[in-house]
Amino acid sequence: KQEVTQIPAALSVPEGENLVLNCSFTDSAIYNLQWFRQDPGKGLTSLLLIQSSQREQTSGRLNASLDKSSGRSTLYIAASQPGDSATYLCAVQGNMLTFGGGTRLMVKP
Amino acid sequence: ETGVTQTPRHLVMGMTNKKSLKCEQHLGHNAMYWYKQSAKKPLELMFVYNFKEQTENNSVPSRFSPECPNSSHLFLHLHTLQPEDSALYLCASSQNPKRGADTGELFFGEGSRLTVL
Repeated sequence: KQEVTQIPAALSVPEGENLVLNCSFTDSAIYNLQWFRQDPGKGLTSLLLIQSSQREQTSGRLNASLDKSSGRSTLYIAASQPGDSATYLCAVQGNMLTFGGGTRLMVKP
Repeated sequence: ETGVTQTPRHLVMGMTNKKSLKCEQHLGHNAMYWYKQSAKKPLELMFVYNFKEQTENNSVPSRFSPECPNSSHLFLHLHTLQPEDSALYLCASSQNPKRGADTGELFFGEGSRLTVL
């Protein structure tokens, strides 16, 4: 059974810092990995989708990498802003989609 | 309307009520999903409809009953719920390459916040 872990569970940083969120998974037989953002009480917004054959994807200040063999993905956020404050979730697509518990990010002005 | 829309956004119901949650996707996708999000727990997949056929139900209690009349609409019928069913219910859709392969990028609605008294 796939298990997805996100570390840290919560993170507080000052505005302007570059930061890395981690996602690890136990079964490397995956089709893709997706990163989402969730604001309090809201739905999930897709940020990046990395296919199993890809190593990374970039969108604006976000860069996500995938190392399938080691079961790891990272989400890099450059020059963080208060508007980046949210919970970030990774989801791994194998035979079924498995979500991690999320990292709650607070960026302080 | 664009994306995935869910109604109602908030619902309060008693344990003996019958209510329904509605989801509509305007993305032309062929798969739709119901997820449950409880406080401090990872998202739990409840139901999958791929090409309008239910392919997963993950041992969800029968007091939750899904309905997918077409590829754009998905309902979750609620009956005699328990207080522990209070949660955010999220609908999602994706475009999957074939039946049984839920591998498309997921797009979520804003969710329906359910409170069971």
